[in-house]
Amino acid sequence: EPEVTQTPSHQVTQMGQEVILRCVPISNHLYFYWYRQILGQKVEFLVSFYNNEISEKSEIFDDQFSVERPDGSNFTLKIRSTKLEDSAMYFCASSGDISYEQYFGPGTRLTVT
Amino acid sequence: QKEVEQNSGPLSVPEGAIASLNCTYSDRGSQSFFWYRQYSGKSPELIMSIYSNGDKEDGRFTAQLNKASQYVSLLIRDSQPSDSATYLCAQGRDDKIIFGKGTRLHILP
Repeated sequence: EPEVTQTPSHQVTQMGQEVILRCVPISNHLYFYWYRQILGQKVEFLVSFYNNEISEKSEIFDDQFSVERPDGSNFTLKIRSTKLEDSAMYFCASSGDISYEQYFGPGTRLTVT
Repeated sequence: QKEVEQNSGPLSVPEGAIASLNCTYSDRGSQSFFWYRQYSGKSPELIMSIYSNGDKEDGRFTAQLNKASQYVSLLIRDSQPSDSATYLCAQGRDDKIIFGKGTRLHILP
């Protein structure tokens, strides 16, 4: 069964460093998303991406964040200068159509020290 | 602020019984609703989607949607220990999903 994959599973970085989180969405899906979940809190929407551009972003997704689809399979989230409060699980998701089911990857645990 | 509200639990249910999970939402404009299951340290796993008023059954799971009351529920029949997890109610709105905080379900052997 097709699934979303994410790498790395765990990333440790120092405050102020740049990180890139990678995702391979389900191959025939057209809509891509990033969510985050701070430990013990709810899953929060960050950004949606369709047709090579951002379609919606949350207040969390400020200028330190960017997304890219560098080729036909990968979808990346870059955090330019990490802060301690960026420590969280970051989930990539994909969907075959807008407002339809979104399937989540296993997540990347980001720890900022 | 558009919210999805759930009782955080824990909800304890004996093995073999019916677990009933409830959720309310404030955004009347949404047309899609989802239940995700999340095991500790893992990602959300989609178990049910529902788009119209009424009931939708899939195996041991039944989702119920009442748009007039802005209410969504999930019933799990013949609860198993493997059903112990956090259940996330979610509402689809355009390009995103809004999640509730989740209800922790504990199935008692």
